[in-house]
Amino acid sequence: QVQLVESGGGVVQPGQSLRLSCAASGFTLSSFALHWVRQAPGKGLEWVTVMSYDGLNEFYADSVKGRFTISRDTSKNTLFLQINGLRPEDTAVYYCARSTSGGLRDTFDIWGQGTMVTVSS
Amino acid sequence: DIQMTQSPSTLSASVGDRVTITCRASQNIGAWLAWYQQKPGKAPELLISKASTLENAVPLRFSGSGSGTEFTLTISSLQPDDFATYYCQQYTSYPITFGPGTKVDIK
Repeated sequence: QVQLVESGGGVVQPGQSLRLSCAASGFTLSSFALHWVRQAPGKGLEWVTVMSYDGLNEFYADSVKGRFTISRDTSKNTLFLQINGLRPEDTAVYYCARSTSGGLRDTFDIWGQGTMVTVSS
Repeated sequence: DIQMTQSPSTLSASVGDRVTITCRASQNIGAWLAWYQQKPGKAPELLISKASTLENAVPLRFSGSGSGTEFTLTISSLQPDDFATYYCQQYTSYPITFGPGTKVDIK
């Protein structure tokens, strides 16, 4: 069964760090571009970052550039999002999503269930 | 960055109604436009890619059209399962951007 399962969310204080994980099953992570998309409570979808299928290219939204880092462990078929310097405006459900055909210019056909990150003092 | 807008932001309709949602891009995106459906507490689901290509298992009452800067999503006969929020997304260039969403609720 093709699926993505996120974990690692929680309640953290401003300025702290968090690492989110996205475990892939039913497909090989290194064959697809993989994205992180977030959704603040009651708000719309915001694309955050992507890693290309070969791991050679990464793009970030301006709102997270310099604070967020996408990475992966192909041996564990898992994608990560390292979030540093958390701000209250980073509070959101974080989804990982797979590119439909593997490329960067592509839709997202498989989504995880999301993991909630709450930044509050 | 390419800005995406949607109208209306909320749409109240009845079962059986024909519903049309409009999405506009701030610059020409060709047909690199997708539509997603999201229900409360759930992840989005891909409905349409390349502006008009219906994904597998998506009911035929959904259709998409448009190119360039103006696009539409049409539901020909609204069903109870269709009450949800719909997002358009451009994927021609980074950063990928979504529209603000259109909530379809029960009239």
